[in-house]
Amino acid sequence: SQQGEEDPQALSIQEGENATMNCSYKTSINNLQWYRQNSGRGLVHLILIRSNEREKHSGRLRVTLDTSKKSSSLLITASRAADTASYFCATDADTSGSRLTFGEGTQLTVNP
Amino acid sequence: AAGVIQSPRHLIKEKRETATLKCYPIPRHDTVYWYQQGPGQDPQFLISFYEKMQSDKGSIPDRFSAQQFSDYHSELNMSSLELGDSALYFCASSLWNSDYEQYFGPGTRLTVT
Repeated sequence: SQQGEEDPQALSIQEGENATMNCSYKTSINNLQWYRQNSGRGLVHLILIRSNEREKHSGRLRVTLDTSKKSSSLLITASRAADTASYFCATDADTSGSRLTFGEGTQLTVNP
Repeated sequence: AAGVIQSPRHLIKEKRETATLKCYPIPRHDTVYWYQQGPGQDPQFLISFYEKMQSDKGSIPDRFSAQQFSDYHSELNMSSLELGDSALYFCASSLWNSDYEQYFGPGTRLTVT
């Protein structure tokens, strides 16, 4: 079952621009994690934000979490062609026993 | 840093055959998760283990079984394979009660013909 939706489903930008991806979810959560996946390959863990946190930074990544709206956003600043990938949010619901439920993903294309 | 290891990376089987996928978690991680990702789909949780005991169960078919061993590695056994089982199978590991930050392996791509 889908925990959430990601928006947009696809995003195409030029190198150097910022990319913002949004994720919505349905249940109360312990935390929300963002992953990157290059085509047909493994999931790379980007960042985890706890339910009591509102914003977190890691390098060029900035994640926000609004538990009242059940939504999160991932901002990638100064994008590079190597950032081209699918980005998924995944939630650890507080009743789920730590399983992750993934959103549908945003396909980001960064054009050189 | 050591990552999650999965083997094999690619596997081709025929319908009704069996397959065994192996997962070696990050050293000191005690929790293992299995996920299935169909073509163009998001990963779906199958099952997880903590300290060799099943800790959670998701949409895992009855034809599949899994276990975690004393060295914390895990195996996913799949029997009576169907065409629809063709997918990427990911293993992830975490430390129990550490925000459950899950680190994924590279996946096993299973093709059933």
